[in-house]
Amino acid sequence: KAGVTQTPRYLIKTRGQQVTLSCSPISGHRSVSWYQQTPGQGLQFLFEYFSETQRNKGNFPGRFSGRQFSNSRSEMNVSTLELGDSALYLCASSLGLADAGTQYFGPGTRLLVL
Amino acid sequence: LAKTTQPISMDSYEGQEVNITCSHNNIATNDYITWYQQFPSQGPRFIIQGYKTKVTNEVASLFIPADRKSSTLSLPRVSLSDTAVYYCLVGDGRDDKIIFGKGTRLHILP
Repeated sequence: KAGVTQTPRYLIKTRGQQVTLSCSPISGHRSVSWYQQTPGQGLQFLFEYFSETQRNKGNFPGRFSGRQFSNSRSEMNVSTLELGDSALYLCASSLGLADAGTQYFGPGTRLLVL
Repeated sequence: LAKTTQPISMDSYEGQEVNITCSHNNIATNDYITWYQQFPSQGPRFIIQGYKTKVTNEVASLFIPADRKSSTLSLPRVSLSDTAVYYCLVGDGRDDKIIFGKGTRLHILP
């Protein structure tokens, strides 16, 4: 069974631009969660989507948004990029709700904002 | 949401058994305890999950005392490739956010 895939793997943007990241979960998984990882803050939860609905959200500004499609694929969008948005963005999928079961993580998208 | 506390870092030697303890004093009745391993520039990888007593798989063992206020991940006979960050996570699917915390940076020495 194919694992979680994320595209693109690397991305360079400039301040003020917007970016869309994509995540394809493991087949049959209904939950997709997004995380931001930086050296200073560690692994921080952004949001979780389950059956196309945002189930919960971490403490991030409204510039960070996401959605999930009927095939469970998910996208994350960051608008008006800031230098501090440079990070590794990880997507994880799980069969059921993320914090009750096993999450399978993708390789991540490394975003650099200049 | 049960908050977890882990040591920031640990060192050990190849061939030793390593035990990493996670405190979760406010764990709820329905919470499960899950451990993940993360190598640099990779996403975390599931290691083991348990609810009570002891769970063992081909990679590790998880010990959970009766009060469930802590859990210990045990890695038998570690090797250099076990150098990674280990995260403890508790939840039951009803929490409003997921908190991984800072994790424990394990460094295995030759």
